Amino acid sequence: NAGVTQTPKFRILKIGQSMTLQCTQDMNHNYMYWYRQDPGMGLKLIYYSVGAGITDKGEVPNGYNVSRSTTEDFPLRLELAAPSQTSVYFCASSAPGQGADEKLFFGSGTQLSVL
Amino acid sequence: QKEVEQDPGPLSVPEGAIVSLNCTYSNSAFQYFMWYRQYSRKGPELLMYTYSSGNKEDGRFTAQVDKSSKYISLFIRDSQPSDSATYLCAMVGAMGNQGGKLIFGQGTELSVKP
Repeated sequence: NAGVTQTPKFRILKIGQSMTLQCTQDMNHNYMYWYRQDPGMGLKLIYYSVGAGITDKGEVPNGYNVSRSTTEDFPLRLELAAPSQTSVYFCASSAPGQGADEKLFFGSGTQLSVL
Repeated sequence: QKEVEQDPGPLSVPEGAIVSLNCTYSNSAFQYFMWYRQYSRKGPELLMYTYSSGNKEDGRFTAQVDKSSKYISLFIRDSQPSDSATYLCAMVGAMGNQGGKLIFGQGTELSVKP
């Protein structure tokens, strides 16, 4: 039972480089999310998707892009990496429906450092 | 003022102690309340879920919601070293998380010493 799988687990980028964080889920969940977690700051929503072909901005979308071509995959793209993007990134998914869409299933995270 | 406030700790207790973790919130529209547990270097996992005022018990864990005071708590009885983790409260309004509206607290880091 894989659940939500994120790759890579760790990455170091130089300022200005780009990269894609991969996320895939095998639970057939319609909803998928990208969060970042900074020390003492909790989880901040970057982007979310309610289904294939549909994405929307969260609280902190600047510097990121997403796409959702399939139900299973929800990659997060960083363009022109900046030190402020140093963080731990979590992908999550949930099923639609009242009482269900708040129950998020998280991946194990990607620790990103931009130097 | 943040919508959800949670003392980040860290909180250190001896094994067997009763632990109280708390969150306050300012938005009276919140209807659903959750506690997520996050072990080091792992993603959060849902621990408790409540949608009304009062208490909900699950083994050694009790979630308490007081909507009149805008205050939620998680109690851990007979705490174990395996309970050492960061605990995040989360809450959302009546429409649920369809619009990505789930709001997390900052998380409280708990350490239970043998």
